Amino acid sequence: DTAVSQTPKYLVTQMGNDKSIKCEQNLGHDTMYWYKQDSKKFLKIMFSYNNKELIINETVPNRFSPKSPDKAHLNLHINSLELGDSAVYFCASSPSGYGYTFGSGTRLTVV
Amino acid sequence: DQQVKQNSPSLSVQEGRISILNCDYTNSMFDYFLWYKKYPAEGPTFLISISSIKDKNEDGRFTVFLNKSAKHLSLHIVPSQPGDSAVYFCAAIGGSQGNLIFGKGTKLSVKP
Repeated sequence: DTAVSQTPKYLVTQMGNDKSIKCEQNLGHDTMYWYKQDSKKFLKIMFSYNNKELIINETVPNRFSPKSPDKAHLNLHINSLELGDSAVYFCASSPSGYGYTFGSGTRLTVV
Repeated sequence: DQQVKQNSPSLSVQEGRISILNCDYTNSMFDYFLWYKKYPAEGPTFLISISSIKDKNEDGRFTVFLNKSAKHLSLHIVPSQPGDSAVYFCAAIGGSQGNLIFGKGTKLSVKP
């Protein structure tokens, strides 16, 4: 039973499209995150979100928007996709800020 | 601005020998450090961590050492096994950084 699951695992789409990546955690954690791993292999925080607060990394374009229908879900919606958005996106969750559990990643390719 | 640095992109070690992966950080406010292991097509998985009040933490074949004065930590794997072949990420948290800050990763290859 997967703790943090994200779908789809692979996503190929054309420039200008709008797409969403879904994330669900069954760990009962309070905080969820989205990380981006780009071609340089850095894992960079994009968003962190709990019931009270959304924290956005200032370098993230406003075409990216997290949506959390409930505590167990944090979806990532991307508008007007660009070539530079191609990367692997990881969802994660934690109970207190230290013990992160990651999903298996979504490889987004924009063509 | 890389607050967590792993300067070796790759490391190759013979099975049974020691693997030493290094990590440097610049933010003196970090108070907790973690190592994550990542296989291809999978997410990072937690391996071992250390609080800034300690200088060593051991878990089986894995030991993490922290040198706060040098802002340096290292992960020792002994003995190394082929199944240890993966990318290892160093991460830190603390101070104004409410989220894990990752290094670039080191790809470890353990040869039989």
